[in-house]
Parts: sequence; C-alpha cells; structure tokens
Amino acid sequence: QVQLQESGPGLVRPSGTLSLTCVVSGGSISSGPWWSWVRQPPGKGLEWIAEIHHTGTNKYKPSLNGRVTISVDTSKNQFSLELTSVTAADTAVYYCARDRGWKKYDAWGQGTLVTVSS
Amino acid sequence: QSALTQPASVSGSPGQSITISCTGTSSDVGGYNYVSWYQQHPGKAPKLMISEVSNRPSGVPDRFSGSKSGNTASLTISGLQAEDEADYYCASQRSTTSLDVFGTGTKVTVL
Repeated sequence: QVQLQESGPGLVRPSGTLSLTCVVSGGSISSGPWWSWVRQPPGKGLEWIAEIHHTGTNKYKPSLNGRVTISVDTSKNQFSLELTSVTAADTAVYYCARDRGWKKYDAWGQGTLVTVSS
Repeated sequence: QSALTQPASVSGSPGQSITISCTGTSSDVGGYNYVSWYQQHPGKAPKLMISEVSNRPSGVPDRFSGSKSGNTASLTISGLQAEDEADYYCASQRSTTSLDVFGTGTKVTVL
C-alpha cells in the first residue's frame, strides 16, 4: 500500500518561493506512472497544478504563468514542487497524489497547509 | 468557466438514492471513458471512489456507482448513509492542459 507524505514550510512570505516535497513509501516512484500536486484554497475546490512522470516528463497548469516547477528524485523516492512569486492567492492545502493514468488519483498525501503572509 | 460543472449541493434522507452530475464537453467527459470521482470529508484528503466512469476500487461500498451519457457523467449513491455526507468531485481526462482537471464540487448533505 503506497503512502505519500508532504513536507515543507507552513508559512511563506509574499513574493517568496513555496517549496514542498512528497516522499513516497511502500512502493517505487517508478510505479506511478504520474505524480501530481493538487491544491485546495480554504473553503474552495480542488485545483490540479502540476504532474510529472517518473521518467521526468512534466506538465503544468498554464494559468500559473511559469511560476511552478515540479521535479522527481528517483534515488530518494520523492518528488517536489516549487512555486515562485507567491501571493495570498497561493494560500491553500497542498496535496501530492499518484495518478495511475487518465486522472485516476488512487493515493493521496494527508495534505499540508501553506499560508502566504508577511 | 473551464472546470467541469457539478451542482453545488445535493441532499437526501438516509436510505434514499441521490445522483450527482458532472457536465463537460466532447473534448473531455464525452470524448474519453476516463471519468473519476472523489469523496472528501472535512479536513481530509480526497478518496478515489470511482474510476474509468464506472469502476469501483476495492473497499468502496457497492452503493456507489458511476455512469456516463454523452457529455455528462454521474455518480449515484444508493441507500444513502450518514457517513456519505461529504464533498464530491469529478475529474476527467481533457484534451488540453489549460482546462481544469476537477469539477466544481458537490456538497452532499444527509438530512
């Protein structure tokens, strides 16, 4: 049973960079095949923001205007998210998830709240 | 509006059946048999309930079922129970990355 665990700062200053890591346990990151970041602003719905194949191919939500980078480290069985130039609108619970393909997210991390505030 | 459209809320009494719709276009829901449904209780991560329109993962009660007609997918909960009160989201493969993966979400209330 694969498990995912997010980690990273819970508070980021405006205009700073949000950095999160998702550690995959109980299975190989090569088994994804896709790994995603999904966020949920307080009281709002789910928003897909990025995904990466275990081979390194990635996709991003275009409306984030190039602020987002996703990467994978197969040696550590983890993948990461960086979001630059953050504003209060980026305040959300960030989830990492495994996509078995075709938007079938069958494993999720517990989520981590990131607040953008000075 | 780039997200898949769901009703904001649906309610029912225990034992009743309810259906949640997820409306897209021929470029997503109608064009692929890859619609999934997620249940999310407050403060919890989403949970996969249905994949590929109508497949139920192991451990999901059989009172949850999925279907699709044209550009609209549906999640039906039969024999509604108190623990089914949650938010539900659909997701679909879409032809372009610029469109939202997830639906707008539906709050299910058990009366």
